[in-house]
Amino acid sequence: RKEVEQDPGPFNVPEGATVAFNCTYSNSASQSFFWYRQDCRKEPKLLMSVYSSGNEDGRFTAQLNRASQYISLLIRDSKLSDSATYLCVVTLSGGYQKVTFGTGTKLQVIP
Amino acid sequence: DAGITQSPRHKVTETGTPVTLRCHQTENHRYMYWYRQDPGHGLRLIHYSYGVKDTDKGEVSDGYSVSRSKTEDFLLTLESATSSQTSVYFCAIGRTDSNQPQHFGDGTRLSIL
Repeated sequence: RKEVEQDPGPFNVPEGATVAFNCTYSNSASQSFFWYRQDCRKEPKLLMSVYSSGNEDGRFTAQLNRASQYISLLIRDSKLSDSATYLCVVTLSGGYQKVTFGTGTKLQVIP
Repeated sequence: DAGITQSPRHKVTETGTPVTLRCHQTENHRYMYWYRQDPGHGLRLIHYSYGVKDTDKGEVSDGYSVSRSKTEDFLLTLESATSSQTSVYFCAIGRTDSNQPQHFGDGTRLSIL
């Protein structure tokens, strides 16, 4: 089983739609969780951290479920500019910040 | 954007030649990382550094070496490049606290022919 698993997609959604991605992780000792966004041929950029109580940043909502070991990202009112690959990132500490990246979920927002 | 600069941005070279990639940061972060990204694999850690002259291996370190002589610079060297090392290489920086995210440079596209 991969340490971090994501559905690769692509998710093709119309503008204005709501879309959700899930990401599962295997190590119950994982401490921190993030969603990154990666545009084609660009570097990953931090979208948002994921907190235990859930958190929202504009149209984006992130949730963490430690019992079931998954995190989710909800995007409301999708924009064309949301088209990208979304990477789930899980970290452990222990001398250095051990970071495991998911392979990403591709989102294509269609006009 | 975090102050991270990678050079070169693109490079094409031949099998067997040495290649050095440079990562420069202006954030004074203690930790620096080199990753490679390939289709179907996501980002994989090659080497990381936790201070000047302090480095350690990641999960895909074979064929790579690193050096960090200054806080701001982290070099990745392919001593004798092979076609399997064709990839996109990203440098990242991070703070000690694992609750803080890493930030990435623009990447280097390396092609080994």
